Amino acid sequence: EIVLTQSPGTLSLSPGERATLSCRASQSVNNYLAWYQQKPGQAPRLLIYSASARATGVPDRFSGSGSGTDFTLIISRLEPEDFAVYYCQLYGGSPKTFGQGTKVDIK
Amino acid sequence: EVQLVQSEAEVKEPGESLKISCKGSGYVFANYWVGWVRQMPGKGLEWMGIIYPGDSDTRYSPSFQGRVTISADQSIGTAYLQWSSLKTSDTAMYYCARHPSGYDLTWFDSWGQGTLVIVSS
Repeated sequence: EIVLTQSPGTLSLSPGERATLSCRASQSVNNYLAWYQQKPGQAPRLLIYSASARATGVPDRFSGSGSGTDFTLIISRLEPEDFAVYYCQLYGGSPKTFGQGTKVDIK
Repeated sequence: EVQLVQSEAEVKEPGESLKISCKGSGYVFANYWVGWVRQMPGKGLEWMGIIYPGDSDTRYSPSFQGRVTISADQSIGTAYLQWSSLKTSDTAMYYCARHPSGYDLTWFDSWGQGTLVIVSS
């Protein structure tokens, strides 16, 4: 079973700053990787699929990159509504594991 | 518009059975994989399994195999997650979510609002 490890666990930043989130797989997942955002009390929301494709309606300040085992989600300039928990997920097989999450909070 | 509407919160005692539901609308329910995700209090997301309503093909995470049953009734556009004997450790929020196609090697593009299950004596 492939394990996804996200880092850092918590990222403390100010609005307007750039956020860089990492997701590392224990073996290659090609580009079968998605990113989700979850705000308190809400269901997760799809941001990125196929490692780098933005979902419908996702602002272009969100970008995904990587392939194989190392993936990155970048939020170019944090808006107040971007402070949330972010999860990566592999979906190239079963189980479709999630990473443990990175919390982006306000510094 | 694609919508997944889940059943209301449940409070149960250990050992009881439970079946929660997820009704899809705005698309042809039978043709898209639907899955379930657990989120224990204060914790991350855990993939439980998925079902293709058109033929009931089901995949489970090894962590949940034998503990829960995923089913679907395509005639009423509803997927289910059930337990035969709940434990206190089943206390969690449970989300249903849809894949964007009939291909299972895809992500979740739409999510239900979640069903809170509390198991306590």
